Amino acid sequence: DVKVTQSSRYLVKRTGEKVFLECVQDMDHENMFWYRQDPGLGLRLIYFSYDVKMKEKGDIPEGYSVSREKKERFSLILESASTNQTSMYLCASSPSDRETEAFFGQGTRLTVV
Amino acid sequence: GEDVEQSLFLSVREGDSSVINCTYTDSSSTYLYWYKQEPGAGLQLLTYIFSNMDMKQDQRLTVLLNKKDKHLSLRIADTQTGDSAIYFCAENYGGYQKVTFGTGTKLQVIP
Repeated sequence: DVKVTQSSRYLVKRTGEKVFLECVQDMDHENMFWYRQDPGLGLRLIYFSYDVKMKEKGDIPEGYSVSREKKERFSLILESASTNQTSMYLCASSPSDRETEAFFGQGTRLTVV
Repeated sequence: GEDVEQSLFLSVREGDSSVINCTYTDSSSTYLYWYKQEPGAGLQLLTYIFSNMDMKQDQRLTVLLNKKDKHLSLRIADTQTGDSAIYFCAENYGGYQKVTFGTGTKLQVIP
């Protein structure tokens, strides 16, 4: 059974903290993505990576950075968390040669207080 | 990507058909997708349609694509309570990284 695993289901952090969200996939996929999901806004792409150490900005990269040191792991970093980053964060992965497959993690609900 | 719009809420009775609609704006889309998100879970790819197709049927699911009007729909026949979820349409306009998701439609199935 294919899996995308996010390290936490729920997180509560304080304003100004540095926050790490981790995502691991076991399918040897080249592409990995971080989205945030907000009611009425759907999913918005923060960053994606198409290979180890490669990354590209999505639609809303401000306030975020990412790291992909190994193929299976993609980390989202909030350098200084703010209350407007309270959201559901979803990680996804896909193979580079098939546009009809994508797998999502279960999501991390982050609350910044 | 451009805007992908969906109505936010749909309520149907168990056993009826559900039709979830989506409009998109990018005419260069290659694939269009429907995802399902159950409460507390991530998204699961339900089905997809290639942009040169008009219709695709997969068991209880029927996808209709009207390229002229840039309109995509998902019909669920014999809707069950287990179909209660949020449904997202999405368009791929150039490789998987270029995917735009809609706002999601919350389907409520009334027993």
